[in-house]
Amino acid sequence: DVKVTQSSRYLVKRTGEKVFLECVQDMDHENMFWYRQDPGLGLRLIYFSYDVKMKEKGDIPEGYSVSREKKERFSLILESASTNQTSMYLCASCLRVATEAFFGQGTRLTVV
Amino acid sequence: GQSLEQPSEVTAVEGAIVQINCTYQTSGFYGLSWYQQHDGGAPTFLSYNALDGLEETGRFSSFLSRSDSYGYLLLQELQMKDSASYFCAVGANTGGFKTIFGAGTRLFVKA
Repeated sequence: DVKVTQSSRYLVKRTGEKVFLECVQDMDHENMFWYRQDPGLGLRLIYFSYDVKMKEKGDIPEGYSVSREKKERFSLILESASTNQTSMYLCASCLRVATEAFFGQGTRLTVV
Repeated sequence: GQSLEQPSEVTAVEGAIVQINCTYQTSGFYGLSWYQQHDGGAPTFLSYNALDGLEETGRFSSFLSRSDSYGYLLLQELQMKDSASYFCAVGANTGGFKTIFGAGTRLFVKA
């Protein structure tokens, strides 16, 4: 059974903290993505990676960075968390872009 | 940049047929896919169209017209469990291959 696993289901962090969201996939996919989901806005692409150590900015990269040191792991970093980063964060991976993407269960992050 | 438009909400009755439209604007178009997401769950893949025409998978079908930058998801024999959000997504090669999602259509199925 294919799987994308996100390290936490729920997180509460304080403003200004550095936050790490981890994502691991076991399908040997080259493409991995981080989205945030907010009501009425759908899924907005933060960053994506098509290979180890490669990263590309999505539509809303400000305030975020990513790391892909190993093929199976893609980490999202909030350098200094702010309340407007309170959201649901979804990680996904796929073999080829626009084909079937597999999502993790999401991390609901609250920044207080 | 890229943009996708789909209706925010659709309501239909059990047993009926519903069509959810999606129009998109992007360069480097690769393909159109559809996802279903139930409340509290992760999006799950439904279908993918790279070429013009209709793809059928059970009760669900998806259509693409590349010349019109348009696609739709057709759900037949609606069931209560089909109540969910449906997202269209485009794959595009714009400074890297990426998948961009629409804002989603909330489908309510009534008895």
